[in-house]
Amino acid sequence: RKEVEQDPGPFNVPEGATVAFNCTYSNSASQSFFWYRQDCRKEPKLLMSVYSSGNEDGRFTAQLNRASQYISLLIRDSKLSDSATYLCVVNGNKLVFGAGTILRVKS
Amino acid sequence: DADVTQTPRNRITKTGKRIMLECSQTKGHDRMYWYRQDPGLGLRLIYYSFDVKDINKGEISDGYSVSRQAQAKFSLSLESAIPNQTALYFCATSGVPRTDTQYFGPGTRLTVL
Repeated sequence: RKEVEQDPGPFNVPEGATVAFNCTYSNSASQSFFWYRQDCRKEPKLLMSVYSSGNEDGRFTAQLNRASQYISLLIRDSKLSDSATYLCVVNGNKLVFGAGTILRVKS
Repeated sequence: DADVTQTPRNRITKTGKRIMLECSQTKGHDRMYWYRQDPGLGLRLIYYSFDVKDINKGEISDGYSVSRQAQAKFSLSLESAIPNQTALYFCATSGVPRTDTQYFGPGTRLTVL
């Protein structure tokens, strides 16, 4: 089993839609969690950090479920500019990156 | 100006050649990292350094070496490049107060023929 698993997608959604991604992790001792956004052939950039049960920033909401060992990212009112790959990152005794979920928002 | 820079941005080389990838940062962070990214895989850690005198192997260090020339500079070398080292390489930094938050350079696309 991979340490961090994500559905690779792609998720194809229309503008204005709400979309959610899940990420599962295997290390129950993990302490902090992150979502990074990566545009094609560019560097990953931090989108959100999750240190407790969840975090909200505008249209983006991240939630943590420690009992089931997953984190989720919800994007409301999707924009064309949200099209990217979303990386889940989990910090146990080291940072582990998921392979990413591709989101395509279409007009 | 970018906080984390990498040179070169693209490189094509031949099997057996020695290659150096360079990373510089102006964020004042103590911690620096080298990752590689392959399609369908998450970023994998090659080497990391928590200060100038501290170098540590990551999960895939074989075939690579590093040098931390200064707090702001961290170089990755491929002593004898092979085709399966073809990948996108990222340098990253982190520092206080959130040492688990990574800031990435723009990446180096390396192709080994």
